[in-house]
Amino acid sequence: AQSVTQLGSHVSVSEGALVLLRCNYSSSVPPYLFWYVQYPNQGLQLLLKYTTGATLVKGINGFEAEFKKSETSFHLTKPSAHMSDAAEYFCAVSGGNAGNMLTFGGGTRLMVKP
Amino acid sequence: EAQVTQNPRYLITVTGKKLTVTCSQNMNHEYMSWYRQDPGLGLRQIYYSMNVEVTDKGDVPEGYKVSRKEKRNFPLILESPSPNQTSLYFCASSKNGGYNEQFFGPGTRLTVL
Repeated sequence: AQSVTQLGSHVSVSEGALVLLRCNYSSSVPPYLFWYVQYPNQGLQLLLKYTTGATLVKGINGFEAEFKKSETSFHLTKPSAHMSDAAEYFCAVSGGNAGNMLTFGGGTRLMVKP
Repeated sequence: EAQVTQNPRYLITVTGKKLTVTCSQNMNHEYMSWYRQDPGLGLRQIYYSMNVEVTDKGDVPEGYKVSRKEKRNFPLILESPSPNQTSLYFCASSKNGGYNEQFFGPGTRLTVL
């Protein structure tokens, strides 16, 4: 079975600082990788996804993530945090052994200090 | 407006009383799925459906049933709810399969007493 690990259930950064949210996955074959964001009292929406091709993926709101096969990682970054980035972020994986199932990590709550 | 709708949004019930949470999408998506969200555990997939009359178990299917009689609807049925099914439930849909972007409903908060 596939699994996803997000290091740090809570991350706090100052406004304007670099955002780095970590995600590692386990899969015996190349997976499809996703980052979703959940704002308070809302459903999830897609930030970005990696399927094939370029390993650096750009998403909405200035976020990007890099697929590193050798490290089985898909960390999410943003150069400069904004107050509106405060939310919970979920890394997810599908494909590989699990086919059409989507497996989520435990989530990381991002707090942005003024 | 393209969307996934769920009803009810909030539900408090008692152990053993059968309930259904409805889910509907208006995007003509083939793939639909149910998740539960619990603190620290992220979202876990309950069931998914690749198309009408085709359903498959996710990671945590015990205690749940689903059906897919029409493309747009994918109800979640709890025949005998128990307190450990207290959770936040999300329905989602995608064009075709778990490889694609999934569009999520607003969630249903269920409390089983």
